[in-house]
Amino acid sequence: KQEVTQIPAALSVPEGENLVLNCSFTDSAIYNLQWFRQDPGKGLTSLLLIQSSQREQTSGRLNASLDKSSGRSTLYIAASQPGDSATYLCAADTGGGNKLTFGTGTQLKVEL
Amino acid sequence: EADIYQTPRYLVIGTGKKITLECSQTMGHDKMYWYQQDPGMELHLIHYSYGVNSTEKGDLSSESTVSRIRTEHFPLTLESARPSHTSQYLCASGGRDAYEKLFFGSGTQLSVL
Repeated sequence: KQEVTQIPAALSVPEGENLVLNCSFTDSAIYNLQWFRQDPGKGLTSLLLIQSSQREQTSGRLNASLDKSSGRSTLYIAASQPGDSATYLCAADTGGGNKLTFGTGTQLKVEL
Repeated sequence: EADIYQTPRYLVIGTGKKITLECSQTMGHDKMYWYQQDPGMELHLIHYSYGVNSTEKGDLSSESTVSRIRTEHFPLTLESARPSHTSQYLCASGGRDAYEKLFFGSGTQLSVL
């Protein structure tokens, strides 16, 4: 059974800092790995999706990498802003069909 | 911009009542999902559908049921609500390709007294 772990559980950084969020998964036979953002009391917004054959994906200040062999993915946020404050979730699609196994998330706070 | 809608946004209801949580999407997606999320916990898949008249149970056992009579509509029903059903319920949809992103609704926060 796939298990997804995210470290750290919470992170507080000053504005402008570059940061890395970590995600690990136990079953390397994944179809894709996705990163989401969740704001308090709201649904999830998809940020990046990395297919199993890819190593990384970039969108603006965000860069996500995938190392299937080691069961790890990282989300790099450059030049963080207060608006980046949210919970970031990673999720692995192991069975195909986008049935995702989620981690518990990293709660990020970017302070002025 | 995602076009997936959930109603109601919040629901407080007494034990034993029957409730239906609505989820609709206008993107023509074949795949739809229901996830359950408790505060500070991960999302768990409770139901999914790959098309009309197709529904399956997810990884987390749930007393709820779903139906998929129309492509755009995927309602979730609890026949008799209990306090243990108190949670946030999130609906999502995705395209046919396994590599397409999922789109989530804003969720329904259910409280059963």
